Amino acid sequence: QKEVEQDPGPLSVPEGAIVSLNCTYSNSAFQYFMWYRQYSRKGPELLMYTYSSGNKEDGRFTAQVDKSSKYISLFIRDSQPSDSATYLCAMSARNNDMRFGAGTRLTVKP
Amino acid sequence: NAGVTQTPKFQVLKTGQSMTLQCAQDMNHNSMYWYRQDPGMGLRLIYYSASEGTTDKGEVPNGYNVSRLNKREFSLRLESAAPSQTSVYFCASNRREGRETQYFGPGTRLLVL
Repeated sequence: QKEVEQDPGPLSVPEGAIVSLNCTYSNSAFQYFMWYRQYSRKGPELLMYTYSSGNKEDGRFTAQVDKSSKYISLFIRDSQPSDSATYLCAMSARNNDMRFGAGTRLTVKP
Repeated sequence: NAGVTQTPKFQVLKTGQSMTLQCAQDMNHNSMYWYRQDPGMGLRLIYYSASEGTTDKGEVPNGYNVSRLNKREFSLRLESAAPSQTSVYFCASNRREGRETQYFGPGTRLLVL
């Protein structure tokens, strides 16, 4: 079993839809949780960062962490075609030992 | 600021050949990382360097060596390339303290025939 599980999709939604992306994990020591966005043939870029449990909102993006269930989510409101990318969850127990999910490919259709 | 730069962008090797992937950052970061990205596997850490002069193995170090040349540069070497090393390689960096944000380079696509 992988330490971090992420549904690879692909996920296709119409413009304006609410998108929900999720990851589950098995290592209870993880305390730093991140979402990265990766456009085709580019490096990942940090989208959201959360420490421990709770919610964090940034514009149209909301990240949720439920450590009791070992489950994290990223919600995208009013999705736009420019949101079409692969979304990677990542988490770590300490700075230099990050584990990534396989990534979910999202397409937002105009 | 260029951020994290990687060279080359693309490389084709024959089995058994060697090559070095170069990475440099201009953000004065202490820590640097090498990852490989394969379909369905996500990003996996090969080696990292927490600070200048130190390197440590990550999740998949076999077949690779690294050198932290100075604070800016961190290279990855394949001594005898194998088809299983066909992948996209990403370099990343961050400050050791504070947020866990890692800044990634644009990647090197490597094909081993």
